[in-house]
Amino acid sequence: AQSVSQHNHHVILSEAASLELGCNYSYGGTVNLFWYVQYPGQHLQLLLKYFSGDPLVKGIKGFEAEFIKSKFSFNLRKPSVQWSDTAEYFCAVNSPARGKLIFGQGTELSVKP
Amino acid sequence: EPEVTQTPSHQVTQMGQEVILRCVPISNHLYFYWYRQILGQKVEFLVSFYNNEISEKSEIFDDQFSVERPDGSNFTLKIRSTKLEDSAMYFCASSEDGTMETQYFGPGTRLLVL
Repeated sequence: AQSVSQHNHHVILSEAASLELGCNYSYGGTVNLFWYVQYPGQHLQLLLKYFSGDPLVKGIKGFEAEFIKSKFSFNLRKPSVQWSDTAEYFCAVNSPARGKLIFGQGTELSVKP
Repeated sequence: EPEVTQTPSHQVTQMGQEVILRCVPISNHLYFYWYRQILGQKVEFLVSFYNNEISEKSEIFDDQFSVERPDGSNFTLKIRSTKLEDSAMYFCASSEDGTMETQYFGPGTRLLVL
């Protein structure tokens, strides 16, 4: 069955700490990969996406993610978090043939000032 | 920047009542989606819609659910006879083209069925 797993449910960091959020997927065939963010009181926004090409993708606000096909992973990273990065982060996949997004359960990130 | 909008932001209804959730996708977008998130659970796909017909639907999207694009701007989700387990946040999304395009999400409608 198609699924996405995010290993960390709640991460607490201090400002300037480095961040890595794990995402693994189970999906037959070619995939598109996404990270969405939901800031408190706001709607889901796209952070970054991978369709093909360079497996290291850069997104908004200094975030990046690396697609490792052999590990079925698409981990999100940021070298130095800020208080304003406090939000919930969702990893999602779909296939190039189908629009339906399959989401992970989300990771809540709290950054202490 | 264009946004997907949804109304109402909150709705409380009695079990067995019909509800209609409304969405206005981004104007030049062609693909429309509904997702829902039950409290504490994953965001789940419900249905996708293109060219005035359903492209794909999930097991959740049974006969109690329907979608419509009644005019050139609105996209609605109707739940015919609500159940307690329909309580969730419902998100609308749209994309410019199909599967290779980013889906833009609305702010959601929080539905509470009593």
